Amino acid sequence: DAMVIQNPRYQVTQFGKPVTLSCSQTLNHNVMYWYQQKSSQAPKLLFHYYDKDFNNEADTPDNFQSRRPNTSFCFLDIRSPGLGDAAMYLCATSRTGRGEQYFGPGTRLTVT
Amino acid sequence: AQSVTQLGSHVSVSEGALVLLRCNYSSSVPPYLFWYVQYPNQGLQLLLKYTTGATLVKGINGFEAEFKKSETSFHLTKPSAHMSDAAEYFCAVSDRGSSNTGKLIFGQGTTLQVKP
Repeated sequence: DAMVIQNPRYQVTQFGKPVTLSCSQTLNHNVMYWYQQKSSQAPKLLFHYYDKDFNNEADTPDNFQSRRPNTSFCFLDIRSPGLGDAAMYLCATSRTGRGEQYFGPGTRLTVT
Repeated sequence: AQSVTQLGSHVSVSEGALVLLRCNYSSSVPPYLFWYVQYPNQGLQLLLKYTTGATLVKGINGFEAEFKKSETSFHLTKPSAHMSDAAEYFCAVSDRGSSNTGKLIFGQGTTLQVKP
């Protein structure tokens, strides 16, 4: 089945230690998104790629970076995680950026 | 700027009762409209969407929603709640404009509790 895959599902990192979360898709969609979701809140868009074009949200901290080496993969890098970065990180894809988004199962990040 | 309001952060119904989750949006041009469901420690799953055409849309798991332009609403309903419907529900909109990047504007979410 075509899908959005996120690895790992649970990630524990230490304060200040860089961490990378990964997302892959078999849908061959043009657009890939990264969201941060804190407890009892709606997802918050961090950035997205339309093909190779990177689009950063204005309020996304510089601590968050992303890479998309090819159509199928997209990575979220947190350079120096703080306790406030503990959250669920959701990857999503969209074929054209105009329709629905398809979400992966998420990676729950814990910062110790 | 677009915004989405979900009336009621928590809704509790009995099993077998009608489910009604309310969503209103603010936009001068009707946007694309979506309902997503999220189970604990899972991603979001699309329940249904409205883009064009028939204003009553049917989704998965027996849910449906009606787009009412005059009321700027897109309420989600299900005639008979099941225990497995207990989850977080998000209403979301996306701009139809040519400069649209596909950004979803989410409501704050409604937690649905289903009592036996």
